[in-house]
Amino acid sequence: EDQVTQSPEALRLQEGESSSLNCSYTVSGLRGLFWYRQDPGKGPEFLFTLYSAGEEKEKERLKATLTKKESFLHITAPKPEDSATYLCAVQAVRGGGADGLTFGKGTHLIIQP
Amino acid sequence: NAGVMQNPRHLVRRRGQEARLRCSPMKGHSHVYWYRQLPEEGLKFMVYLQKENIIDESGMPKERFSAEFPKEGPSILRIQQVVRGDSAAYFCASSSGNQPQHFGDGTRLSIL
Repeated sequence: EDQVTQSPEALRLQEGESSSLNCSYTVSGLRGLFWYRQDPGKGPEFLFTLYSAGEEKEKERLKATLTKKESFLHITAPKPEDSATYLCAVQAVRGGGADGLTFGKGTHLIIQP
Repeated sequence: NAGVMQNPRHLVRRRGQEARLRCSPMKGHSHVYWYRQLPEEGLKFMVYLQKENIIDESGMPKERFSAEFPKEGPSILRIQQVVRGDSAAYFCASSSGNQPQHFGDGTRLSIL
């Protein structure tokens, strides 16, 4: 069974204080690892897809990295608008590659001004 | 901006009634997914559909739940004889095959 564990569950940072969120996974063959951002009352918003160990993706203050067992979402000099729940999900190598995702419970990030 | 559209945004039902949740995928997307998010729980995959076909329903409860994606019109998630435990946020996502899934803003289902 595919599993995704995210840590910490919650993180409070001061504006400008950089940090990293962790996503550990076990999957029977990884097709892709996904990061989403979810704001209260909204659906998940796609951020990144990572496919193989060593891959990195960047977008503004966010950078996602991938190893064979975990992924990190690095947040550099965050701003209050970066406050959200960040979700990690995996897609296994099964079927035609368009399968459902297995999500972690998320990290609730609060950036204080 | 034709994103994934879900309606209604909020739905209240009494125990024993039926709930129908609708999802229109993004333009050009033919793959639809339904997920359920319970309080304090992560998103759980329920079912994956393409036009007129259920591809994977491994996450769908065996009773009372059904889904369809007809040739014309939105995808429908139907819950018959709802119980209190069905209260949750239900999210629909769509994709164009091997591309990231994009989500709607969900339907919040409350059971009285």
